[in-house]
Amino acid sequence: DAGVIQSPRHEVTEMGQEVTLRCKPISGHNSLFWYRQTMMRGLELLIYFNNNVPIDDSGMPEDRFSAKMPNASFSTLKIQPSEPRDSAVYFCASTSTGGNYGYTFGSGTRLTVV
Amino acid sequence: AQSVTQPDIHITVSEGASLELRCNYSYGATPYLFWYVQSPGQGLQLLLKYFSGDTLVQGIKGFEAEFKRSQSSFNLRKPSVHWSDAAEYFCAVGAAGNNDMRFGAGTRLTVKP
Repeated sequence: DAGVIQSPRHEVTEMGQEVTLRCKPISGHNSLFWYRQTMMRGLELLIYFNNNVPIDDSGMPEDRFSAKMPNASFSTLKIQPSEPRDSAVYFCASTSTGGNYGYTFGSGTRLTVV
Repeated sequence: AQSVTQPDIHITVSEGASLELRCNYSYGATPYLFWYVQSPGQGLQLLLKYFSGDTLVQGIKGFEAEFKRSQSSFNLRKPSVHWSDAAEYFCAVGAAGNNDMRFGAGTRLTVKP
């Protein structure tokens, strides 16, 4: 298995631009999570999906952030418009519902907004 | 909701010395407990997990952790640290039946030659 795949690995964009981060979970996993990691705030859960349905988006910082999971093998996290304070590493993770066997994390997308 | 505290932000140990990283959790029922390791520029990798049964669990890379319900702790240990163990370590707590996992703030481990 290739693991959780995130793209791009690095993204540099200008303030005000739209940014789309992508994630492909492990095949067979039906829960998907988006996290943001910064030095100041550590690892924050932004949103998670069970069976492609958003379950808890209380961690999404504001309306500029949106996430979708159109099918079991793909999810996106979009920021529009982006701001410098959105600069962080964004991780996607997946697992199987109910087993709580631990998450498998992707390698992350390092986002820099200038 | 569950929560996790890692009291030590940064720990330095000499190569070959023993290691213990502390983790305290808060949860009203039996928790699911995890330790993850993050090397620079990488995602988090699962080291070990505890669900039930034997309170001493073995993980990858020679790590082990002990669940102590009376102390609400799940400390990570390794008898002899290698330079390659330098990384950030995260403790996490989950609840049975759902996937909402909470992470601690992490402990950065530095290994001196």
